[in-house]
Amino acid sequence: AQSVSQHNHHVILSEAASLELGCNYSYGGTVNLFWYVQYPGQHLQLLLKYFSGDPLVKGIKGFEAEFIKSKFSFNLRKPSVQWSDTAEYFCAVTSGGYQKVTFGTGTKLQVIP
Amino acid sequence: EPEVTQTPSHQVTQMGQEVILRCVPISNHLYFYWYRQILGQKVEFLVSFYNNEISEKSEIFDDQFSVERPDGSNFTLKIRSTKLEDSAMYFCASSEFAGKTYEQYFGPGTRLTVT
Repeated sequence: AQSVSQHNHHVILSEAASLELGCNYSYGGTVNLFWYVQYPGQHLQLLLKYFSGDPLVKGIKGFEAEFIKSKFSFNLRKPSVQWSDTAEYFCAVTSGGYQKVTFGTGTKLQVIP
Repeated sequence: EPEVTQTPSHQVTQMGQEVILRCVPISNHLYFYWYRQILGQKVEFLVSFYNNEISEKSEIFDDQFSVERPDGSNFTLKIRSTKLEDSAMYFCASSEFAGKTYEQYFGPGTRLTVT
């Protein structure tokens, strides 16, 4: 069965600091990888996704993620965070013919002005 | 941009009562899903639905749960006899395809509180 691990549960950064959120998945076959964001009081929104091709994926709002197959990782990065990036971030995976999305436990990011 | 909508935004019910959570998926989407998120826990898959039948379900989705697409636009989740542990945020999602390249679009969620 597929699973997703997010190592940081709560991250606090000052504005303009760089961000890297870790994500590792467990599945031996072909995977599709996602990062979703949930702003306070809002629904899940897709930040970026990886299906195939260039392992460095760029998403909305200046976020990017790198798929490293050998490490089973898909870490999320942003060079300079803003207060408006305060939210919860979920790494997620689908694999093979399965339709369900398996989510990680989420990382709460708090950006201090 | 088209969105998945869900009603109600908050539902309070007594233990043992039946609840129906409603979702309107994006109009040209063919695959529909329900997930739930218990407070402080991760989002968990419940069920996927395609062509008027369940295509996959998790171990959480027991006989107390059912899904239906009663008309061309709504997709519902029914919990027959609610328990305290059913209190959670329930998210509906839809996708155009379920093949190799697709993404699921999530609704805003319904917060279910069972007392």
